[in-house]
Amino acid sequence: DTEVTQTPKHLVMGMTNKKSLKCEQHMGHRAMYWYKQKAKKPPELMFVYSYEKLSINESVPSRFSPECPNSSLLNLHLHALQPEDSALYLCASSQFPSGGPSNEQFFGPGTRLTVL
Amino acid sequence: AQSVTQLGSHVSVSEGALVLLRCNYSSSVPPYLFWYVQYPNQGLQLLLKYTSAATLVKGINGFEAEFKKSETSFHLTKPSAHMSDAAEYFCAVSATSLYNQGGKLIFGQGTELSVKP
Repeated sequence: DTEVTQTPKHLVMGMTNKKSLKCEQHMGHRAMYWYKQKAKKPPELMFVYSYEKLSINESVPSRFSPECPNSSLLNLHLHALQPEDSALYLCASSQFPSGGPSNEQFFGPGTRLTVL
Repeated sequence: AQSVTQLGSHVSVSEGALVLLRCNYSSSVPPYLFWYVQYPNQGLQLLLKYTSAATLVKGINGFEAEFKKSETSFHLTKPSAHMSDAAEYFCAVSATSLYNQGGKLIFGQGTELSVKP
């Protein structure tokens, strides 16, 4: 199984709502990532989890809260978002939390988030 | 620090024509380079990667890329474009430094490929 799954596919929420995005992989990967992607732009890294611990936070606002309950699962909790947070949120995983040619990232299909 | 520049935000070719998407990198250490493709409303899929074992890298769907250190380039090519190749293509370099970058990828701005019948 070389797949990263994400749920939901689409999410519409108001600025006062609380919602969560879910990501799952069963490849035994020890690094998981959250990216935000705006239309016609490259993905922007938000968070990196290495061996279930948060290793990189790219100065993301606190209204985004990541969680890694176990080595296969990654969540992104959303609260009090702004309309400018509307984007495609991508999850990815890699075998190890390090750079290198054998450590490519596998991406999920993304969650299309709209904040009203 | 590493960086990637993709020349041309949009490339249009006719079906059956050569596809050439340009990527130049900047890196003070030997780079780890990747090409990803993104179809509309989908995630990113790895096309190919540079592993330093060979300068000419073959990937999926008939794509290949040549690593040229002297030109700091890693251009993506396909001899004959197909309609199904229409997508966004991203070149990326894996961040490497003395500090743990956690496998961070640095992406170029992307090139949208259109294929005309």
